[in-house]
Amino acid sequence: SAVISQKPSRDICQRGTSLTIQCQVDSQVTMMFWYRQQPGQSLTLIATANQGSEATYESGFVIDKFPISRPNLTFSTLTVSNMSPEDSSIYLCSVRTGTEAFFGQGTRLTVV
Amino acid sequence: GQSLEQPSEVTAVEGAIVQINCTYQTSGFYGLSWYQQHDGGAPTFLSYNALDGLEETGRFSSFLSRSDSYGYLLLQELQMKDSASYFCAVRGEDSSYKLIFGSGTRLLVRP
Repeated sequence: SAVISQKPSRDICQRGTSLTIQCQVDSQVTMMFWYRQQPGQSLTLIATANQGSEATYESGFVIDKFPISRPNLTFSTLTVSNMSPEDSSIYLCSVRTGTEAFFGQGTRLTVV
Repeated sequence: GQSLEQPSEVTAVEGAIVQINCTYQTSGFYGLSWYQQHDGGAPTFLSYNALDGLEETGRFSSFLSRSDSYGYLLLQELQMKDSASYFCAVRGEDSSYKLIFGSGTRLLVRP
């Protein structure tokens, strides 16, 4: 199993600013995943963060907008840059051990 | 590309049995997973099927038919606490460990 600490749990930000979300895992993992979830909707994968290499982004997501850091095997950050109200969403980090995925509690972001 | 379809909403009464279906399209298949998510909470793992057939875990069972690209989650003896969203998920087509989630089914259990 894995326990993920994610912070902040929520934030209200001004448009045009940036927010960095942090995830700390209680064990070493090769890959960490970042998802976005609109309220009442499904989870959409933003990118996969690998230690020692650049993150791999899914279609529709770019590094300039969502830069990711992965300095070691237990930690990752996702930055939401130059925010607009359309970025208001819940952001979740996740890891997998075997066939099971574990998630942080999410960051509820509101951009005003 | 990959896609997973689920009914958007299901309503059932306490004590009943409910089935949540999932049909998927993917060129590379590495198993079907199910996750539960309560409002305001994180998704939590329920089950995983790599092979055809039924997997049972307590009140929850999950079924897979690879030939039909279809699976379902069966919840028995429904309880109020089972009211949540349920997502099926598959691994990425490129055999990576990322998970692609279905559209989700919101289950409402009524007294």
